[in-house]
Amino acid sequence: KAGVTQTPRYLIKTRGQQVTLSCSPISGHRSVSWYQQTPGQGLQFLFEYFSETQRNKGNFPGRFSGRQFSNSRSEMNVSTLELGDSALYLCASSLDRLEAFFGQGTRLTVV
Amino acid sequence: QKEVEQNSGPLSVPEGAIASLNCTYSDRGSQSFFWYRQYSGKSPELIMSIYSNGDKEDGRFTAQLNKASQYVSLLIRDSQPSDSATYLCAVKGSSNTGKLIFGQGTTLQVKP
Repeated sequence: KAGVTQTPRYLIKTRGQQVTLSCSPISGHRSVSWYQQTPGQGLQFLFEYFSETQRNKGNFPGRFSGRQFSNSRSEMNVSTLELGDSALYLCASSLDRLEAFFGQGTRLTVV
Repeated sequence: QKEVEQNSGPLSVPEGAIASLNCTYSDRGSQSFFWYRQYSGKSPELIMSIYSNGDKEDGRFTAQLNKASQYVSLLIRDSQPSDSATYLCAVKGSSNTGKLIFGQGTTLQVKP
């Protein structure tokens, strides 16, 4: 069974640009959550999508947004990038909103 | 007070010893508890989940939960150098959310 797939694996963007990250969950999983991981703040919850609806949102500015498609694939978008957005962005999928399994992450560097 | 607290370490143990990793949480309504292992440069990997008070064993790993004390622990028996990683404690609140709150992680070093 394929795991969680995130693309791209690495990105370098310039301040002010926007970026879209993609996540394909484990087959059959309908819950997809996004997390930001930085050395200083650790793993922080961004948002959760379940059945194409945003169910929970973390304490991040409105520049961070996401969506989920009918096949459960999810995208997150960050607009007007800032240097502080440099981080590892992790997607996790869950069958039952209990155990969550992470993808390999997208390493975003903003210069 | 942080919602989920872990000692950042590093925790250093000799090969073959028992490693004990601890985590406390602040929300008494928390229902589900997880331990993830993260190797340097990799993503977190789920190694244990526990939902009720007591112990849960899986191979060399034992998770312990005490909701009254708001305390979760992970014991690793017969520690191996390959167990050297950062261990993240994660807590989920009510059943109506997939949100996980993570501790900062404890770095474990197993010395041969």
